[in-house]
Amino acid sequence: AQTVTQSQPEMSVQEAETVTLSCTYDTSENNYYLFWYKQPPSRQMILVIRQEAYKQQNATENRFSVNFQKAAKSFSLKISDSQLGDTAMYFCAFMRNTDKLIFGTGTRLQVFP
Amino acid sequence: KAGVTQTPRYLIKTRGQQVTLSCSPISGHRSVSWYQQTPGQGLQFLFEYFSETQRNKGNFPGRFSGRQFSNSRSEMNVSTLELGDSALYLCASSLAPSGTAEGEQYFGPGTRLTVT
Repeated sequence: AQTVTQSQPEMSVQEAETVTLSCTYDTSENNYYLFWYKQPPSRQMILVIRQEAYKQQNATENRFSVNFQKAAKSFSLKISDSQLGDTAMYFCAFMRNTDKLIFGTGTRLQVFP
Repeated sequence: KAGVTQTPRYLIKTRGQQVTLSCSPISGHRSVSWYQQTPGQGLQFLFEYFSETQRNKGNFPGRFSGRQFSNSRSEMNVSTLELGDSALYLCASSLAPSGTAEGEQYFGPGTRLTVT
């Protein structure tokens, strides 16, 4: 069975600094998709970034980028120039072909002024 | 384009009652998935519907059921409510079924269900 592990329950960063959230996953599949979702205190789940496993290039969305290491089954999220609005719970998620989304347990990120 | 909408946003029910939650996907999206989020169990997949057919089902008892209508709107029903059913229920929609190139999911704001 596929599993997603986020080993950092909580992290904090100062405004304008950079922070990296870790995620590892376990699968025997070769084709799959990886996502990072953000859930702020409003509880609205927001898609941050997506990575297709067949793409070697790391995905980037403005201040958010990933470091996708397929062989190591690692998918970390880097947030540059952190802002107070980045304070949220961050979930790493895995989706294989024709299957459901599997979430990690989340990392609570606090951005301090 | 309007996002995923869920109604009601908050609900309080008594043990033994039943409840129906509604989800309207983003216009043009044909796949709807449901998740339960609790502090103890995290985010757990309930089921997915695509073109009115259930594609996938999570490990939940038969008290949890769902359906999808021809306009892609979906409902989930929980019968004989238990205290442990208290949770945030999230609905997500996608253009295509999950696990496909256009299967990335966009979430609604959730329905907070409290069972007393």
